[in-house]
Amino acid sequence: EVQLVESGGGLVQPGGSLRLSCAASGFTFSSYWMSWVRQAPGKGLEWVANIKQDGSEKYYVDSVKGRFTISRDNAKNSLYLQMNSLRAEDTAVYYCARRQFYSSGSDAFDIWGQGTMVTVSS
Amino acid sequence: SYELTQPPSVSVSPGQTARITCSGDALPKKYAYWYQQKSGQAPVLVIYEDSKRPSGIPERFSGSSSGTMATLTISGAQVEDEADYYCYSTDSSGNHVVFGGGTKLTVL
Repeated sequence: EVQLVESGGGLVQPGGSLRLSCAASGFTFSSYWMSWVRQAPGKGLEWVANIKQDGSEKYYVDSVKGRFTISRDNAKNSLYLQMNSLRAEDTAVYYCARRQFYSSGSDAFDIWGQGTMVTVSS
Repeated sequence: SYELTQPPSVSVSPGQTARITCSGDALPKKYAYWYQQKSGQAPVLVIYEDSKRPSGIPERFSGSSSGTMATLTISGAQVEDEADYYCYSTDSSGNHVVFGGGTKLTVL
């Protein structure tokens, strides 16, 4: 079964750090771009970051640039998100998602984890 | 920055056709995708590349795109289709992802 399982969420104070993990199974992890997407309570989806199969390319939404770092370990079939200098507005459910490319060259997130909650509050 | 605009809410009676729109300047050149998110659950892809349906998605879900607007159509909407629906696309570089603000579909 194709599966993504996030972990590492929790309560952290403003200015603090947290590292999220996503364990992949059921597919060849090293063959896919991977992403983090978040959703603040009661709000819509917001893409956070993408990483290429070999980790050589990474892209971020402007609001997290310089604070968050996406990385992966293909030997461990794992995706990570290191979050530093956290702010109240980073409070959200964080999903990891697989990026599926189609023959046209376009792509979409076809597999999602169940999400992990991050709460930034004093 | 690139934006996709959706109506906040759409309401239909069971059996009626629901249409949810998504507008964006890059849509003439970029595909639109649609996600369904039920309360407390992760999103599920229901339409990709404007009009294609992933396996397991009911035939009542269809998509289309013309000019700067993409449309998700649910023909004969059912109560279980009540959810938030998000359109998705990428900017011109393909490296930055954008979601629409979401549309809450009520079927009652």
